[in-house]
Amino acid sequence: QEHLVQSGAEVKRPGSSVRISCKASGYTFTAHFIHWVRQAPGQGLEWLGWINPNTGVTDHGQKFQGRVTLTRDTSITTAYLDLSRLTSDDTAVYFCVRAFGVRSSRFDPWGQGTLVTVSS
Amino acid sequence: QSLLTQPPSASGTPGQRVTISCSGSNSNVGPNTVNWYRQFPGTTPQPLIHSINLRPSGVPDRFSGSKSGTSASLAVTDLQSEDEAIYYCAAWDDDLKAVVFGGGTTLTVL
Repeated sequence: QEHLVQSGAEVKRPGSSVRISCKASGYTFTAHFIHWVRQAPGQGLEWLGWINPNTGVTDHGQKFQGRVTLTRDTSITTAYLDLSRLTSDDTAVYFCVRAFGVRSSRFDPWGQGTLVTVSS
Repeated sequence: QSLLTQPPSASGTPGQRVTISCSGSNSNVGPNTVNWYRQFPGTTPQPLIHSINLRPSGVPDRFSGSKSGTSASLAVTDLQSEDEAIYYCAAWDDDLKAVVFGGGTTLTVL
């Protein structure tokens, strides 16, 4: 069965960076894009970007230009989200998700989520 | 503000049929498939409907999706108390080259 397991909760200072990992298992890691989605407390879902684990090509939302870096390590079937210059607005649960197809919003499964709290 | 517009709330009594709308545009819902997710409080969103009207295994056939033009809908028939959750629609946006979500609809069973 396919699973995405994320790293644990983080508490960060404003201006710092955070790295979240997403370990995939149960399927061919390089066959599906990985997307990242976040959810601020009490809010809806917000898309951040995607990575093609096969090629390493990435793209992300304009809002996160210059702050988000998506990478992967195929040897350990793990994708990473790096988010820099954190502010309190970045406090959220971050999810990695497996996508079906290019230009797809079909996500299954979802990682369990990683809570990032940005506070001074 | 979400690019896909959903009503913030919907409700019904047990056994009723409820629909949740998802209004988009010619750059997202119009040309692309719509997917629906359900989120219970404190849990991870889970796929509910994909590719407009296909259900992952385990999702009862009381849930169905449809699309017409730039709007999509989720229908829940024979409403049950365990259907109380937040429902989100999602689609790829060709102009933004991004996934866009609806703001979510909280479904309440009265």
